[in-house]
Amino acid sequence: GAVVSQHPSRVICKSGTSVKIECRSLDFQATTMFWYRQFPKQSLMLMATSNEGSKATYEQGVEKDKFLINHASLTLSTLTVTSAHPEDSSFYICSAQGAGATDTQYFGPGTRLTVL
Amino acid sequence: QKEVEQNSGPLSVPEGAIASLNCTYSDRVSQSFFWYRQYSGKSPELIMSIYSNGDKEDGRFTAQLNKASQYVSLLIRDSQPSDSATYLCAVKRNKLVFGAGTILRVKS
Repeated sequence: GAVVSQHPSRVICKSGTSVKIECRSLDFQATTMFWYRQFPKQSLMLMATSNEGSKATYEQGVEKDKFLINHASLTLSTLTVTSAHPEDSSFYICSAQGAGATDTQYFGPGTRLTVL
Repeated sequence: QKEVEQNSGPLSVPEGAIASLNCTYSDRVSQSFFWYRQYSGKSPELIMSIYSNGDKEDGRFTAQLNKASQYVSLLIRDSQPSDSATYLCAVKRNKLVFGAGTILRVKS
């Protein structure tokens, strides 16, 4: 159980275009989803936290107008990188947390974004 | 001071040995502690969670927590080459904060 999927796994786009990444919890309802970014040889950095039906909470330094997050259902959250630039190239990973006593986060497989 | 600190390694151990990974954290009121394993190019995979002082064992893995010393560790017994990965310590109060990770290399 506790499977989280992400799509696409890899995307290459031109500078200035927008890219949408989907995160789905396959076998549980995710009341909270998290979006992380990981640059090479660095650890995961939390970008934002989203609760189903609410606006996302962004970490300091993360532009909410550039990284649009939608958590429309208990099994789906999307991250849209708008007007992507080469410096946005990174490994984007979502995680999902279900309701209940446990606060364990389960991670998706990640999306490798390359902006040319 | 970083919120979660780990030695970057690499930590090299021979196959069959015990690998000991350490982590310290700065927020004294942290409540939950996790160890994740991350293979190159992949996302983190949860290995262990621990919430109270003492040891918690799961198969070849033992997590140890000492809240007074703000210290959490992971022991891997009978290390295998497949255990070679980056191990991330994560600490949660209001949000999950990751350390930079320790690279473990198990030599056959």
